[in-house]
Amino acid sequence: GENVEQHPSTLSVQEGDSAVIKCTYSDSASNYFPWYKQELGKRPQLIIDIRSNVGEKKDQRIAVTLNKTAKHFSLHITETQPEDSAVYFCAASKGQAGTALIFGKGTTLSVSS
Amino acid sequence: GAVVSQHPSRVICKSGTSVKIECRSLDFQATTMFWYRQFPKQSLMLMATSNEGSKATYEQGVEKDKFLINHASLTLSTLTVTSAHPEDSSFYICSARDVGAVSYNEQFFGPGTRLTVL
Repeated sequence: GENVEQHPSTLSVQEGDSAVIKCTYSDSASNYFPWYKQELGKRPQLIIDIRSNVGEKKDQRIAVTLNKTAKHFSLHITETQPEDSAVYFCAASKGQAGTALIFGKGTTLSVSS
Repeated sequence: GAVVSQHPSRVICKSGTSVKIECRSLDFQATTMFWYRQFPKQSLMLMATSNEGSKATYEQGVEKDKFLINHASLTLSTLTVTSAHPEDSSFYICSARDVGAVSYNEQFFGPGTRLTVL
């Protein structure tokens, strides 16, 4: 079945450093790739997303890149701050956008000051 | 953005009882909603796709007779955990997409329901 692999599972950085989280997906029909930030006991919050017809998207300190040929996509956070500490999940649409999402296993990001 | 609510936010029940969880889209209509389950320190696992006016589509390994889904209106989907057992204890989250929105791909998540089965 469809699968999304996410690495690393944990990531510790110093405040101000950059953080990169990588994901790969298996479903060739996937065309929508969101990233979520989740705090303990809360709902996932969308931080950025990208569609397959775009290779890169940026929103202030956050950027996402997509290599559709290799089925890779990555989250880049620059100038990290302690409040960026959370669990981050990548996801891929199960087939076309608008369908359910398949999530990666998550990355626990810790930013120390 | 669009708002999705869930009720209850937390429920504790005895083993063998059934629990109903409601998912509502408050300011948009949703022909399709999705149900996910999240165990502690794990990811969200897709359970089923809820379709308004028709049967739900369940993911492999999810028992349709145990997790009953009803999507009777364009703003409400319900998940009933029947004969709940301790291993069903989890965080259940629904999501829906606002097809009328500019960001029509974005899925809006409910706040989740924490189910504890004693």
